[in-house]
Amino acid sequence: SQQGEEDPQALSIQEGENATMNCSYKTSINNLQWYRQNSGRGLVHLILIRSNEREKHSGRLRVTLDTSKKSSSLLITASRAADTASYFCATGEDTGRRALTFGSGTRLQVQP
Amino acid sequence: DAGVTQSPTHLIKTRGQHVTLRCSPISGHKSVSWYQQVLGQGPQFIFQYYEKEERGRGNFPDRFSARQFPNYSSELNVNALLLGDSALYLCASSLFPGSDEQYFGPGTRLTVT
Repeated sequence: SQQGEEDPQALSIQEGENATMNCSYKTSINNLQWYRQNSGRGLVHLILIRSNEREKHSGRLRVTLDTSKKSSSLLITASRAADTASYFCATGEDTGRRALTFGSGTRLQVQP
Repeated sequence: DAGVTQSPTHLIKTRGQHVTLRCSPISGHKSVSWYQQVLGQGPQFIFQYYEKEERGRGNFPDRFSARQFPNYSSELNVNALLLGDSALYLCASSLFPGSDEQYFGPGTRLTVT
């Protein structure tokens, strides 16, 4: 079963615009990660935010985490056509196993 | 350094057959996890192995099994294939089971007809 849901399920924007994707989860977590996937290929790790952090930046990416609301958001600024992909949030268990529980993903289409 | 490698890239099987998928982790990584991704959904955790021992199992039937070898590579076996087993199977490696970051391979696309 999926840990949570991404919102929206699909997003279409123009190049240069910002894209915001949201993720909700259900259980206590150790960390939350965002991954990118191009056309059903392997997952690429984008950014990790720990449960005691509220915001993190990496290049054009900004991630926020609100553990009280069990939600996170991923902002991609100044989007490019190459950002077209599916984006998944994944939560890491607060155990030694660290199996990732993924959401259902947001499909982002950036129009040139 | 090579990333996580998986073989084969694509595979077509018929119902009732069995399949073996292979994964080689990043050099130095000792933990391997397997995930199943059905079309249109996020990946779901199947197994985690560390030092040849199973460290975790997701909610999958006994038809699914795996093992890890002394060189830390891993095999995922699925018996009595069903149409619903058609999916992208992803392997991820990490230094240890408790490592925060997992590095994913390109996946094996399994089609069951």
